[in-house]
Amino acid sequence: RKEVEQDPGPFNVPEGATVAFNCTYSNSASQSFFWYRQDCRKEPKLLMSVYSSGNEDGRFTAQLNRASQYISLLIRDSKLSDSATYLCVVNSWADSNSGYALNFGKGTSLLVTP
Amino acid sequence: NAGVTQTPKFRILKIGQSMTLQCTQDMNHNYMYWYRQDPGMGLKLIYYSVGAGITDKGEVPNGYNVSRSTTEDFPLRLELAAPSQTSVYFCASGREVEQYFGPGTRLTVT
Repeated sequence: RKEVEQDPGPFNVPEGATVAFNCTYSNSASQSFFWYRQDCRKEPKLLMSVYSSGNEDGRFTAQLNRASQYISLLIRDSKLSDSATYLCVVNSWADSNSGYALNFGKGTSLLVTP
Repeated sequence: NAGVTQTPKFRILKIGQSMTLQCTQDMNHNYMYWYRQDPGMGLKLIYYSVGAGITDKGEVPNGYNVSRSTTEDFPLRLELAAPSQTSVYFCASGREVEQYFGPGTRLTVT
């Protein structure tokens, strides 16, 4: 089973729509969770951290469900500029030599259309 | 601040050639990382460093070497390039959890 799994999409949504992505992780001892955004042919950039209590940043809301081992990202009022790939990232304890390691999902592709 | 810078942006290598991908960060981060990203695939960790003088292998280290003589620099060396090393290479730095990525180096080996 992969460490971090995401639906690759693509999700095609019209401007103004609400869209949600889920991500599941396999390591129940995972400590930290993030969503990164990656534009085509660009580097990943941190979008937001995901806290146990959930967190919101403008049109973006992230939720964590530890019992079911998944995190979600909700985007409200989608903009054309939201078109990108969204990477789910989980920080887990690897081993005593490596310490914590970030595990990246393959990403979910979002295309917002006019 | 420039953040994380990588050079070159693009490179074409012939099979068997060697090269060094440069990575520099100006955020005084202890942790630095090298990833590769193949088309349609996730990021795979090649090597990482938790501080100057300390490096360790990631998931896919074969065919690569690194060094970390300063906090700022973390070069990645490819010896005897192979077509399987055609990829986009990202360097990142951070304090342990959050990571900040450089713009990447697109490498083609033919």
